[in-house]
Amino acid sequence: DAGVIQSPRHEVTEMGQEVTLRCKPISGHDYLFWYRQTMMRGLELLIYFNNNVPIDDSGMPEDRFSAKMPNASFSTLKIQPSEPRDSAVYFCASSFAWTEQYFGPGTRLTVT
Amino acid sequence: GENVEQHPSTLSVQEGDSAVIKCTYSDSASNYFPWYKQELGKRPQLIIDIRSNVGEKKDQRIAVTLNKTAKHFSLHITETQPEDSAVYFCAASGSGTASKLTFGTGTRLQVTL
Repeated sequence: DAGVIQSPRHEVTEMGQEVTLRCKPISGHDYLFWYRQTMMRGLELLIYFNNNVPIDDSGMPEDRFSAKMPNASFSTLKIQPSEPRDSAVYFCASSFAWTEQYFGPGTRLTVT
Repeated sequence: GENVEQHPSTLSVQEGDSAVIKCTYSDSASNYFPWYKQELGKRPQLIIDIRSNVGEKKDQRIAVTLNKTAKHFSLHITETQPEDSAVYFCAASGSGTASKLTFGTGTRLQVTL
């Protein structure tokens, strides 16, 4: 298996633009997680899905953030409009039966 | 919700020495405690985990201990090597769909020659 796949790996955008991050979980995994990592706040869980259904989005910072999982092999995290404080590394992770999360390589987002 | 505290934030040891990282958690219902290693610019990777029905688990030079009464767990690395240098994160979670992993703030381990 190729592991969790994320795209793009790097994204540089201007403030106010829409940003879409993509994730393909490991085949067969039924949980998908979106995390954000910054020096100041560490590793934060934004939202997670079980069988494509959002279970807990309490970590989503603002209405500017939204996430979808239209099927078992694809998820998106969208930021609209983006702001400089959204600059971070965004990780997607997946797991089977909740535990042992496997992380993707991350997307480094820079908003100027 | 769950709160996980991790200490120390940085740790420097000489090659061959042991390193110990400690974490405490707040939710007594938590029953799964993984440890992740993150090298610079890379993704976090699971190195070892322990569940609440086990007090200690070992995998070669790495061991984790759990004290449910005191609500703390620790990572022990023996015979440290330069490639052990990384940031280590502890985490805690309960079971079932209502739970999620809460991560500690990380420990930057530096193994010097």
